[in-house]
Amino acid sequence: GAVVSQHPSRVICKSGTSVKIECRSLDFQATTMFWYRQFPKQSLMLMATSNEGSKATYEQGVEKDKFLINHASLTLSTLTVTSAHPEDSSFYICSAKTGQSIYGYTFGSGTRLTVV
Amino acid sequence: QQQVKQSPQSLIVQKGGISIINCAYENTAFDYFPWYQQFPGKGPALLIAIRPDVSEKKEGRFTISFNKSAKQFSLHIMDSQPGDSATYFCAAKETGANNLFFGTGTRLTVIP
Repeated sequence: GAVVSQHPSRVICKSGTSVKIECRSLDFQATTMFWYRQFPKQSLMLMATSNEGSKATYEQGVEKDKFLINHASLTLSTLTVTSAHPEDSSFYICSAKTGQSIYGYTFGSGTRLTVV
Repeated sequence: QQQVKQSPQSLIVQKGGISIINCAYENTAFDYFPWYQQFPGKGPALLIAIRPDVSEKKEGRFTISFNKSAKQFSLHIMDSQPGDSATYFCAAKETGANNLFFGTGTRLTVIP
């Protein structure tokens, strides 16, 4: 089945530094990937949609200069949280649309970011 | 505005019982309705999904019931087990769009 690998699973960084999260589709080509943010006991909030080779589309209220998304290949998308602050601490999850079915979405295992 | 409304927020069921989670929507352009299961610290995993041309879909102990006229769909977990304790999210996708709209989630606890 379709597998999406997300790394790292946990990261702690100092305030003001940048953190990169990787999302890879292991056994399929993902033309579209999604990045979500999830606060404790809350639903997934879509941050942005990225298409391979083009600029990401950000949801309203999401700072594109703070959350840099790169989808340089059909198997890799990255989210970089720049100049991180404690309020950026959250659970970040990527998802990829599988190529075999227009209805297939596979999620990564998530990244717990803690900014101290 | 919440595109997909989910209830209840939390649910406690005895082992062997039936867990029922409900979702409702207004957008008639939705054409795909998946349910996801999420364990703490993990990403969501697809459980079962349905399209609006079908009123029911069953996979093992999991059943989706879909009422197109009422714009409602529900997840039934038969013979609920402690291992089913997790957060469940319903979702919906609009025709021609890529992204999913998620419900607010239901935290299910199955007690032995």
